[in-house]
Amino acid sequence: AQSVTQPDIHITVSEGASLELRCNYSYGATPYLFWYVQSPGQGLQLLLKYFSGDTLVQGIKGFEAEFKRSQSSFNLRKPSVHWSDAAEYFCAVGPLTGGGNKLTFGTGTQLKVEL
Amino acid sequence: GAGVSQTPSNKVTEKGKYVELRCDPISGHTALYWYRQSLGQGPEFLIYFQGTGAADDSGLPNDRFFAVRPEGSVSTLKIQRTERGDSAVYLCASSLGGGREETQYFGPGTRLLVL
Repeated sequence: AQSVTQPDIHITVSEGASLELRCNYSYGATPYLFWYVQSPGQGLQLLLKYFSGDTLVQGIKGFEAEFKRSQSSFNLRKPSVHWSDAAEYFCAVGPLTGGGNKLTFGTGTQLKVEL
Repeated sequence: GAGVSQTPSNKVTEKGKYVELRCDPISGHTALYWYRQSLGQGPEFLIYFQGTGAADDSGLPNDRFFAVRPEGSVSTLKIQRTERGDSAVYLCASSLGGGREETQYFGPGTRLLVL
């Protein structure tokens, strides 16, 4: 079965510093990959997604992610973090086949931003 | 336009009781998903509807859980004989047609507490 690993449960960065959140997936082929953000009291919001093509994907709020097949990774990055980026971030993978798009999520990384 | 809405936002019940959780998807979205998010975990897939039919219910944990979408719009997740382990945030998402590349739009969730 497919799985997603987010090795870092908590990450703290200073405002203005760069950020990288790690995501590794277990899959036999190139999956559909997603990053979502969850702020307190808010629903999950899609930051970006990757299906094929250019392995560097741009998303909303200045985020980007790079798909690396050799490392089975899809890490999320941001050059300069803002205090409003403090939230929980989830990596997810979609199914290879079948109808629908039931997502398998990682356990999340809680981001704290120090002012 | 309006996003995905879920009611109630919070539900406290006693062990053994029956609960219903409601999801209003984005208008025109034929695909609807239910997920469950336990504390410290990522969302876990429960069931996927395409129109009125449950196309994939492989994530329902047992037969105490049931969901309907009789008119292809609003969906209700029903839990019988609730147990303390059912306490979690129940998330609903919708997408336009259910394609694997589509964005799922999540509601704010219903926080269920079983005492």
